[in-house]
Amino acid sequence: DAGVIQSPRHEVTEMGQEVTLRCKPISGHDYLFWYRQTMMRGLELLIYFNNNVPIDDSGMPEDRFSAKMPNASFSTLKIQPSEPRDSAVYFCASSPDSLYEQYFGPGTRLTVT
Amino acid sequence: AQSVTQLDSQVPVFEEAPVELRCNYSSSVSVYLFWYVQYPNQGLQLLLKYLSGSTLVKGINGFEAEFNKSQTSFHLRKPSVHISDTAEYFCAVRVQGGSEKLVFGKGTKLTVNP
Repeated sequence: DAGVIQSPRHEVTEMGQEVTLRCKPISGHDYLFWYRQTMMRGLELLIYFNNNVPIDDSGMPEDRFSAKMPNASFSTLKIQPSEPRDSAVYFCASSPDSLYEQYFGPGTRLTVT
Repeated sequence: AQSVTQLDSQVPVFEEAPVELRCNYSSSVSVYLFWYVQYPNQGLQLLLKYLSGSTLVKGINGFEAEFNKSQTSFHLRKPSVHISDTAEYFCAVRVQGGSEKLVFGKGTKLTVNP
């Protein structure tokens, strides 16, 4: 299996622009997680899905952030409009079971100027 | 709410020396505990986990951790480290019977010097 796939790996954009991050989970995994990693706040869970349904979005920082999972093999995290404080590494992870390990993708490094 | 404290942000050690990375958690209910490792420019990878049973858990790459409920700790140890163990290590906690949400500590950067 190719593992969790994220695209793009790097994104540089200007403040105010829309940013879309993409994730393809491992086939057969029922859980998908979006995390944000910064030096100041560490690794934070933004939202997670079970069988394509959002379960907990309490970590989404504000209405500028939205996430979707239209099918079992694809998810997006969108920021509109983007701000410099959104600069971070965003990770997607998937898991086959609630007690199993989470498999992380390589991350998308977002820089908002 | 749960929280995780990793007391050391950076730990430098020499190759073949033992190492202990400390993790304490706070929770009013029973928890599951995890250690993940992150190599430079990569995602996180599970080292080991404690779900139940023996409090001494063995993981990959020669690492082990001991769950101590009375001290609410889950310290990670390795008797002899290699240069290749240089990475950032994250402790994480999840409540039993509740949300699948993992709460991570801030991480400990382990640097193994020759």
